[in-house]
Amino acid sequence: AQSVTQLDSHVSVSEGTPVLLRCNYSSSYSPSLFWYVQHPNKGLQLLLKYTSAATLVKGINGFEAEFKKSETSFHLTKPSAHMSDAAEYFCVVSDGGASKIIFGSGTRLSIRP
Amino acid sequence: SQTIHQWPATLVQPVGSPLSLECTVEGTSNPNLYWYRQAAGRGLQLLFYSVGIGQISSEVPQNLSASRPQDRQFILSSKKLLLSDSGFYLCAWTALNTEAFFGQGTRLTVV
Repeated sequence: AQSVTQLDSHVSVSEGTPVLLRCNYSSSYSPSLFWYVQHPNKGLQLLLKYTSAATLVKGINGFEAEFKKSETSFHLTKPSAHMSDAAEYFCVVSDGGASKIIFGSGTRLSIRP
Repeated sequence: SQTIHQWPATLVQPVGSPLSLECTVEGTSNPNLYWYRQAAGRGLQLLFYSVGIGQISSEVPQNLSASRPQDRQFILSSKKLLLSDSGFYLCAWTALNTEAFFGQGTRLTVV
């Protein structure tokens, strides 16, 4: 069965500095991996997805993530944080097909002026 | 295009009352369907998922149940609500190797 662990419950960075949100997964098959963002009192928005194509995935708003099978990781990065990036971020794994999708516990990203 | 409808958007119910939340999907066939709950300040907890009509998998023991009477309809129910059932409930669907598409959610407050 698949599982996902977000290593940090809260990350705080200064505006203009890099962002790193860490995610490790466990999967019996070749997984599909996703990052979602949830702004306060808003719904879930897909940032990016990996589905066995290129291992470096580019998403919206300057975010990207790299699938590293040897490390079972799918960390989310952004070169320069913006105040509007403050939100909750969820890493998601799926084994595909009829398998269920599993959410990580979430990382709250705060941006300092 | 595919869309997902979830209603109601907000609901305030007394303890001990029944619950029925409905979710329907349009524009796709045989989706995988999911119910999640997000408690205040917490992540998304998978409650139920379904890979076909009448096929329901429960992820956690709880006061809730789910049913899938039609291919694109997923219902979350309770016979008697508890205070601990309060939260934000999300319906979602996936197809083969796609990302999850979410409804707008239902904010349930049990009083």
